Amino acid sequence: QKEVEQDPGPLSVPEGAIVSLNCTYSNSAFQYFMWYRQYSRKGPELLMYTYSSGNKEDGRFTAQVDKSSKYISLFIRDSQPSDSATYLCAMSGGADGLTFGKGTHLIIQP
Amino acid sequence: GAVVSQHPSRVICKSGTSVKIECRSLDFQATTMFWYRQFPKKSLMLMATSNEGSKATYEQGVEKDKFLINHASLTLSTLTVTSAHPEDSSFYICSAPRTGIEAFFGQGTRLTVV
Repeated sequence: QKEVEQDPGPLSVPEGAIVSLNCTYSNSAFQYFMWYRQYSRKGPELLMYTYSSGNKEDGRFTAQVDKSSKYISLFIRDSQPSDSATYLCAMSGGADGLTFGKGTHLIIQP
Repeated sequence: GAVVSQHPSRVICKSGTSVKIECRSLDFQATTMFWYRQFPKKSLMLMATSNEGSKATYEQGVEKDKFLINHASLTLSTLTVTSAHPEDSSFYICSAPRTGIEAFFGQGTRLTVV
């Protein structure tokens, strides 16, 4: 069983829709959870990070962590074509390297 | 915001030659940097942890003699792919944590070995 599971998609939604991206994990040592956005042929860009269960909101983005279920989500409200990218979840137990999900390819249709 | 700069963004080299990739933290000091490799439509795989002033820590299965890492200063880490082979063609990305685990990534380097 892989440590981090993420549906690779592609996920295609119309502009303005609410997008839900999810990851599950098996390693209970993970304490820090990040979401990255990666455009084609570019390095990942940090969107949000959190280290506790619950919700964290930043503009149109909301990160949700449920440590008891080992499940994290990223919600995007009022999705825009510019949100089209690959979204990677990442996790860490501390100051070590990150463990990434495969990434979900998101397409926002104008 | 914090910026991590990676160079070159693209490089094509001949089999048997060596290629050096630089990773710089531009507005913060990084005692640790991470090097990842990403295959098409695949996740990022951690290759090694670069430590300023000491030897790098390599993940299982990564050849130390092939992927040489040097972290000579608090703002610069380099990855040298030695005796490059077409199988080494990939996308290489570095990252540096600024505070705690808030890691910022370089732009990535597309290596093509012909």
